[in-house]
Amino acid sequence: GQNIDQPTEMTATEGAIVQINCTYQTSGFNGLFWYQQHAGEAPTFLSYNVLDGLEEKGRFSSFLSRSKGYSYLLLKELQMKDSASYLCAVMDSNYQLIWGAGTKLIIKP
Amino acid sequence: IAGITQAPTSQILAAGRRMTLRCTQDMRHNAMYWYRQDLGLGLRLIHYSNTAGTTGKGEVPDGYSVSRANTDDFPLTLASAVPSQTSVYFCASSDSGWNHTGELFFGEGSRLTVL
Repeated sequence: GQNIDQPTEMTATEGAIVQINCTYQTSGFNGLFWYQQHAGEAPTFLSYNVLDGLEEKGRFSSFLSRSKGYSYLLLKELQMKDSASYLCAVMDSNYQLIWGAGTKLIIKP
Repeated sequence: IAGITQAPTSQILAAGRRMTLRCTQDMRHNAMYWYRQDLGLGLRLIHYSNTAGTTGKGEVPDGYSVSRANTDDFPLTLASAVPSQTSVYFCASSDSGWNHTGELFFGEGSRLTVL
């Protein structure tokens, strides 16, 4: 079956760096997405990776290794507003999005 | 403000009742989707539409139906609600078809409780 694994919850300190991992097993691969979802709100797009390597966008970076079925989202200079759930999703060979359950990130002062 | 509008934002209804969740987008996106989100689970696709006039089944379509009469509207209907359909429902759209990658734009969600 198809599967996306990411930690359920992580805690980090304001101003620090945190890395949220995502591993996947899917039928084919057509890209990996990261979304941010604040409690009670809709998910919003953060990043898209289809080739191996690091994509940087401000304080957020996303890395992909297709051979390892692995991605991470790196958040730098953490702010309290970064407290949210981070959703990893992979598009399989049928262009179907497979979603992870999300990682709840708690930022402490 | 451009985006996706869902209604109602919250609803409690008795089991067996019929319910329609409305979704309207003004971004002229071809593709639209309905997801449900339950605690501890990833978003699960209920139904989708690649373009006006066409619809398809997602991962969990049973008990739900959709229609796509025009580009902007994509209502989701529960013909006879059951408690297991208690969930948060998100409508989404993208400017790419089903077989293309593309950023999803989500509505604010509809919280449905079936008693």
